[in-house]
Amino acid sequence: GAGVSQSPSNKVTEKGKDVELRCDPISGHTALYWYRQRLGQGLEFLIYFQGNSAPDKSGLPSDRFSAERTGESVSTLTIQRTQQEDSAVYLCASSLGASGLYNEQFFGPGTRLTVL
Amino acid sequence: DAKTTQPPSMDCAEGRAANLPCNHSTISGNEYVYWYRQIHSQGPQYIIHGLKNNETNEMASLIITEDRKSSTLILPHATLRDTAVYYCIVRVPRGGGSYIPTFGRGTSLIVHP
Repeated sequence: GAGVSQSPSNKVTEKGKDVELRCDPISGHTALYWYRQRLGQGLEFLIYFQGNSAPDKSGLPSDRFSAERTGESVSTLTIQRTQQEDSAVYLCASSLGASGLYNEQFFGPGTRLTVL
Repeated sequence: DAKTTQPPSMDCAEGRAANLPCNHSTISGNEYVYWYRQIHSQGPQYIIHGLKNNETNEMASLIITEDRKSSTLILPHATLRDTAVYYCIVRVPRGGGSYIPTFGRGTSLIVHP
């Protein structure tokens, strides 16, 4: 029943390697969001999905970052050729939709990525 | 590109009311104000939202000024477990006609014994 889940909870990787972060939203939530949170900072919007489409990718920090969503469910955020500045907690959230006047977001626990 | 301004930190004695201010002077007429909080090492958690009228739920009260340019989140009897970062949020229009909650740095509230 659950809420939003993310895996892995922690990921340590070497600089230059690729990583995949997974998000399982609440069933029935059509909107899915990815944020990045560096240590001691606020949440930085990366990308959102409405269904399986990502109307706005402008928050992705570089072309090393990509994301996809399938079946209006699971989403994967991929970071290629990781750099040390990619180290952060990556948070996923879902909501019933992204339009309209009000849509509460439900957040997952995050994936803590450490790039050595 | 957060559209809100909050003090970076506040503290409050346990059992007292915590009043957390937020300025959102550019908010549009039909846009809600949302409050979330983030306890250390967890994802943000929804607290309350409002449009014009004051709102209250089991967690907090939200007071919105008449001109809607600012609001105050009130935790009536703060406990040690209320120590967290509190985010005041308005949504920002993004591609695709959607509005995405945008989080600033929030206010770090420390409740002390």
